[in-house]
Amino acid sequence: DTEVTQTPKHLVMGMTNKKSLKCEQHMGHRAMYWYKQKAKKPPELMFVYSYEKLSINESVPSRFSPECPNSSLLNLHLHALQPEDSALYLCASSQEGPGNKKRNTIYFGEGSWLTVV
Amino acid sequence: AQTVTQSQPEMSVQEAETVTLSCTYDTSESDYYLFWYKQPPSRQMILVIRQEAYKQQNATENRFSVNFQKAAKSFSLKISDSQLGDAAMYFCAYYNQGGKLIFGQGTELSVKP
Repeated sequence: DTEVTQTPKHLVMGMTNKKSLKCEQHMGHRAMYWYKQKAKKPPELMFVYSYEKLSINESVPSRFSPECPNSSLLNLHLHALQPEDSALYLCASSQEGPGNKKRNTIYFGEGSWLTVV
Repeated sequence: AQTVTQSQPEMSVQEAETVTLSCTYDTSESDYYLFWYKQPPSRQMILVIRQEAYKQQNATENRFSVNFQKAAKSFSLKISDSQLGDAAMYFCAYYNQGGKLIFGQGTELSVKP
């Protein structure tokens, strides 16, 4: 069983809606990640938080807004999305953040399926 | 920049047989980590095995083992005694110094009963 929990599992939203994806981990990890994955493709990194601070933003459009309220929680706020944003959104965590290779094994959640209509 | 290449988009294996998935990578770093992840139809990304580049010994996890050839920059995954539950997309990944996980394009493995 995964120790990274994502909610909701499925989300359908209109282009004018505001919604949020949530992620929680209880492994005491200090780094958390958002990835976007299209069908039959590898995940693409969106954001990395390390010690609750945003450390990597892969030039993601501003209609995606991450938030890390504490070291166990990670949110992704969604607003004015486009149909091409429909994808699987994966949250992940690792014991330490970028640069610390020895504690860098990344563990993924089950993902949130997002459909924009 | 590092790249990861999986040259086999699809592979098939008979149940109980052995299959090897290929992965090559390109890097100028000397110390790095490599991973194999499995993604079944449920789409959860599951860690299969991890290899530290400075370790000569190939990593093993039950029926899963790797053949790590550092000089050749090759990192293949061997699955022994294949089971129906092994059917999935398998991604090879490289963790770089910037803290990014670089994925290959994936190999879709099917297991025939």
